[in-house]
Amino acid sequence: DAKTTQPPSMDCAEGRAANLPCNHSTISGNEYVYWYRQIHSQGPQYIIHGLKNNETNEMASLIITEDRKSSTLILPHATLRDTAVYYCIVRASNAGNNRKLIWGLGTSLAVNP
Amino acid sequence: ETGVTQSPTHLIKTRGQQVTLRCSSQSGHNTVSWYQQALGQGPQFIFQYYREEENGRGNFPPRFSGLQFPNYSSELNVNALELDDSALYLCASRATGALGYTFGSGTRLTVV
Repeated sequence: DAKTTQPPSMDCAEGRAANLPCNHSTISGNEYVYWYRQIHSQGPQYIIHGLKNNETNEMASLIITEDRKSSTLILPHATLRDTAVYYCIVRASNAGNNRKLIWGLGTSLAVNP
Repeated sequence: ETGVTQSPTHLIKTRGQQVTLRCSSQSGHNTVSWYQQALGQGPQFIFQYYREEENGRGNFPPRFSGLQFPNYSSELNVNALELDDSALYLCASRATGALGYTFGSGTRLTVV
């Protein structure tokens, strides 16, 4: 079972920031938080990941709470092309058999004109 | 271009048949994973290969098997197809130390 919970759907106006929350209250100390998105009829696309510090790249920012039990993905200026299902995943970084990404149902983000 | 190419894009098979799905990854992507995604669901992990050896498996029966080749290509084989095997099958690969997996666009398998 997925170790994350996300709202099933969200709306955002084009040009505004989209803030997508994720709860991962049972996260372990060695588990990273990963975000992927899946645009309709395409394969998932990696967005960003982090352990405990906030992270930013050209696509998004990731804010992780101090207790690491939740995080927020921020798309600073959402465009229509950001309409997709966004998945929050926790995954251990160490080697071994615990390599799989366990996906929940994600959040379906609709960016509206 | 994602760098991961899957073939075919769509496929229709009959229950009981066997199918082979193919994936071609970028050079240096020595880890490949396969996922099954039913409509409206998140991807489910099938198995993973690293340098041609299986090193992780999800809750799928043995009739799901795979191979990884030295040229960074891989296969997913499914025997004795069942109607519930109808899904999008995704291949994902990464190089050691890469930030995330690169996914292909998938193969849509329909079993009738």
